[in-house]
Amino acid sequence: QSVLTQPPSASGTPGQSVSISCSGSSSNIGLYTVNWYQQLPGTAPKLLIYSNDQRPWGVPDRFSGSKSGTSASLAISGLQSEDEADYYCAAWDDSLTGHWVFGGGTKLTVL
Amino acid sequence: QLQLQESGPGLVKPSETLSLTCTVSGGIITASTYYWGWIRQPPGKGLEWIGSISYSGSTHHNPSLNSRVTLSVDTSKNQFSLKLTSTTAADTAVYYCARHYTAYEAFDYWGQGTLVTVSS
Repeated sequence: QSVLTQPPSASGTPGQSVSISCSGSSSNIGLYTVNWYQQLPGTAPKLLIYSNDQRPWGVPDRFSGSKSGTSASLAISGLQSEDEADYYCAAWDDSLTGHWVFGGGTKLTVL
Repeated sequence: QLQLQESGPGLVKPSETLSLTCTVSGGIITASTYYWGWIRQPPGKGLEWIGSISYSGSTHHNPSLNSRVTLSVDTSKNQFSLKLTSTTAADTAVYYCARHYTAYEAFDYWGQGTLVTVSS
């Protein structure tokens, strides 16, 4: 059971927009920024969004992030076939001695 | 371009110690703006943070792994390492090393990962 809650799956057709949610609590998302990672099949995760809504250099602006209270969202516009991947949210959690926590991941299918 | 590469045995016997090393190339490990971390992913499952270490040896680790984790850094070799003791089949996973950039508060560079199987 992951500390951060994501829907297990999402889907859309090419050109559509999709959104993936990430729900946490007052000890993680409520206090700290949220990051999003994209994991293409058989590869290592790649940083997609950091500090809630910032894109690293090279990440298309089709990807955007937002945070409100203890929840965050990743939005993908103009869906492309190469966006088919697993997406994970992550945040620092203040409980116990402090540690990074991840969502369980959302598998995005481009129909 | 920064690169991270995990190395170590792919098979570990139950109750034995899992040992992995991450070699950093294309950049220095001794910058104060970075921590160096380990994250694992059991087959077909999600990501779990194991722990992180700074170049000076300051560590944080996942409390769920209790005292089984030891992290170390060798600045002369631009490497950092993970030891996980008392392994069980539940420790079978792909193990990734990654750079935590404090300005981003995120893991911005990842190794390709190495599968470690715990089995007799």
